[in-house]
Amino acid sequence: KAGVTQTPRYLIKTRGQQVTLSCSPISGHRSVSWYQQTPGQGLQFLFEYFSETQRNKGNFPGRFSGRQFSNSRSEMNVSTLELGDSALYLCASSNRSPSDEQFFGPGTRLTVL
Amino acid sequence: EDQVTQSPEALRLQEGESSSLNCSYTVSGLRGLFWYRQDPGKGPEFLFTLYSAGEEKEKERLKATLTKKESFLHITAPKPEDSATYLCAVGSSTLTFGKGTMLLVSP
Repeated sequence: KAGVTQTPRYLIKTRGQQVTLSCSPISGHRSVSWYQQTPGQGLQFLFEYFSETQRNKGNFPGRFSGRQFSNSRSEMNVSTLELGDSALYLCASSNRSPSDEQFFGPGTRLTVL
Repeated sequence: EDQVTQSPEALRLQEGESSSLNCSYTVSGLRGLFWYRQDPGKGPEFLFTLYSAGEEKEKERLKATLTKKESFLHITAPKPEDSATYLCAVGSSTLTFGKGTMLLVSP
């Protein structure tokens, strides 16, 4: 079975721009969660989608948004980028619920200049 | 609010020197405690899930145990390839992660 894939792997943007990241979950997995990882804060939960519906949301500003498509693929968007948005963005998929085992993709490294 | 604290933040071992990593947690309604391994620049790799106090799981040189307030990841006779950051997470409606223990095993 193919693992979780994320594209692109690396991105460099400037302040004020917006960015869209993509995640394809493991085949058959319907739950997709997004995390932001920084050296200071560790892994922080952004949001979780299940069957195209946002089921849980973390404590991030509205500039961070996401969606899920009918094939379970998910995208997250960050608008009006700030320097502090530089991070590794990780996507994880699970079978039914985020409290099941989650399997992570390799991440997208976003650098905001 | 769910909380996870991992200790130590960093640990340096000699090859073959066994040790334990700690994960203490507070959670409303534990639906699982998870251990992951993360190598630099990569996504976390799933290791174990523990569901109830007293449960233990093993994989090669790693053994995870769970009590009502903490979990331990025991590393027996580690090798340099065990060097990584080990992350603990608790699951309720979402996963809450600790900040990890960075393990370095020297030959």
